[in-house]
Amino acid sequence: AQKITQTQPGMFVQEKEAVTLDCTYDTSDPSYGLFWYKQPSSGEMIFLIYQGSYDQQNATEGRYSLNFQKARKSANLVISASQLGDSAMYFCAMSPDRGSTLGRLYFGRGTQLTVWP
Amino acid sequence: SQTIHQWPATLVQPVGSPLSLECTVEGTSNPNLYWYRQAAGRGLQLLFYSVGIGQISSEVPQNLSASRPQDRQFILSSKKLLLSDSGFYLCAWWREGRGNEQFFGPGTRLTVL
Repeated sequence: AQKITQTQPGMFVQEKEAVTLDCTYDTSDPSYGLFWYKQPSSGEMIFLIYQGSYDQQNATEGRYSLNFQKARKSANLVISASQLGDSAMYFCAMSPDRGSTLGRLYFGRGTQLTVWP
Repeated sequence: SQTIHQWPATLVQPVGSPLSLECTVEGTSNPNLYWYRQAAGRGLQLLFYSVGIGQISSEVPQNLSASRPQDRQFILSSKKLLLSDSGFYLCAWWREGRGNEQFFGPGTRLTVL
């Protein structure tokens, strides 16, 4: 079974500062994918970034980067230059189905990020 | 472009009543389809997934069922709702070769009283 752990129920950051949201995972699958999604108060799920377990470099998407440490089974999200609009719930997720066609996602409990001016 | 629809957006139902939530996807064919539930203050839990018409896999035992009568239609049902069925239900789709991420619908907020 897959287990995704997000130990920070809430985080606060000042506008324009960087913030790191923690995520650790546990899987016995040799090939997997790691994801981060953002959920504003409206409830929609917004995809942010993806990291494959065999990717050599850490993924980056604009202000988002994923600090992937495979040996430690961690996949922390770094948001640089925080903006007020970044205030939302952030979910880490894992798919054990790389190389198959199932595409299932398993989520952590989320971290509520608040950006203050 | 692909879009995913869910309805209704909100629903208030009494305990013991039936449930039918619908999800449809436009702009793609042969997608994998997924139902997730998000309890208040929690992460998303995968309930069902489907890789094709009539093919349903259940992740957790529960009071709910799913069906896929058409390629781009996914339905979540219950014969008798429980209080614990309350939550935010999200449908998602993914197709191999169309990127890594799943795309989510707007969700249905279900309150069972």
